[in-house]
Amino acid sequence: GQQLNQSPQSMFIQEGEDVSMNCTSSSIFNTWLWYKQDPGEGPVLLIALYKAGELTSNGRLTAQFGITRKDSFLNISASIPSDVGIYFCAGYDTGTASKLTFGTGTRLQVTL
Amino acid sequence: DTEVTQTPKHLVMGMTNKKSLKCEQHMGHRAMYWYKQKAKKPPELMFVYSYEKLSINESVPSRFSPECPNSSLLNLHLHALQPEDSALYLCASSQVGADEAFFGQGTRLTVV
Repeated sequence: GQQLNQSPQSMFIQEGEDVSMNCTSSSIFNTWLWYKQDPGEGPVLLIALYKAGELTSNGRLTAQFGITRKDSFLNISASIPSDVGIYFCAGYDTGTASKLTFGTGTRLQVTL
Repeated sequence: DTEVTQTPKHLVMGMTNKKSLKCEQHMGHRAMYWYKQKAKKPPELMFVYSYEKLSINESVPSRFSPECPNSSLLNLHLHALQPEDSALYLCASSQVGADEAFFGQGTRLTVV
């Protein structure tokens, strides 16, 4: 099956810094979604991407759908303490509609 | 309203018990999902229902039995579970096809 690898696995940053993380797939995806999950809660949808090359923003978050359709990137600008959590990419592959697969996750910790 | 409601929030059950997890959404979505999530791991897909029909079963043991009684409800019936089945069980819904999926808060299941 597909594997979605996220990097970095974890990161410690200072408040106010910008954050970049990425997600790569072994196969082509036709939709990419980015989620944030707090401990003990369900994932919350941040951004959805539908077209190769698409760049979409949601407040301080910007995500891009890679040209090869095998990767996606998420940037967070001017991080704040409430950005702490685990960020997951997720995607629907081109072969099976409605099969949403999650990446391995990036754990973000923000220090004051 | 982008809310997916799961009940109960917490459940402790013995290995001989029968229990059910419930999920409800009123977004008009016709795809609904069950995921299992172990600590510090990404959600793993278990089942997908499209138009109230089971479309994907990711080789889940038969002690987990999904049911979709109508387009708004999704149940997961549990019987003879093992301690290793303890996890956060997440429900999600979306439009059929590669679209934004919204998650509930999850049910924290502990099997004793």
